[in-house]
Amino acid sequence: GDSVTQMEGPVTLSEEAFLTINCTYTATGYPSLFWYVQYPGEGLQLLLKATKADDKGSNKGFEATYRKETTSFHLEKGSVQVSDSAVYFCALSPNTNAGKSTFGDGTTLTVKP
Amino acid sequence: DTEVTQTPKHLVMGMTNKKSLKCEQHMGHRAMYWYKQKAKKPPELMFVYSYEKLSINESVPSRFSPECPNSSLLNLHLHALQPEDSALYLCASSQALAGGVETQYFGPGTRLLVL
Repeated sequence: GDSVTQMEGPVTLSEEAFLTINCTYTATGYPSLFWYVQYPGEGLQLLLKATKADDKGSNKGFEATYRKETTSFHLEKGSVQVSDSAVYFCALSPNTNAGKSTFGDGTTLTVKP
Repeated sequence: DTEVTQTPKHLVMGMTNKKSLKCEQHMGHRAMYWYKQKAKKPPELMFVYSYEKLSINESVPSRFSPECPNSSLLNLHLHALQPEDSALYLCASSQALAGGVETQYFGPGTRLLVL
């Protein structure tokens, strides 16, 4: 079946540091890929998405590129802020088996001032 | 507007109680989802409705009963729950079940505690 593997956390960075959270996936066909962010006590918010190979999703300074050759969708941000502290989930939506998204285990990011 | 609303925000119930969770969206989406999320874990899919019909049931115990009375509303009826059912219950919606391109929008969740 489909699977998503995220780098293990927690990740702790100083403000203005560079962020990378690794995400790799296995899936049949051509899934869409997503990053969601969950702030404490809240639901998941869509951060960015990419629907085909070589697409780059971007939002609020975060970026991720859909790499089919390495089956990866790593999340990056050039300069993190304290307000970016949250749990980040990588997810895929298969092009078969509609409705059954697969989520990674989540990576907790803490940014210190 | 990409808002999904959920009520109540918090719910405490005993094992013999009956309660309902409510989810609403006004984006014209035709697919709606219930997820269960335990602390420090990813969401687990429970049910999916497509055009107001139950499309996916992930072998959820019958003490959870979903209902989709119209295209904007999704309910989850709870009865005789167990303490291990305590979790954050998330509702989501997407434009349709589109096989790989559906983007799900999540509500803030209902935090349920079963005593």
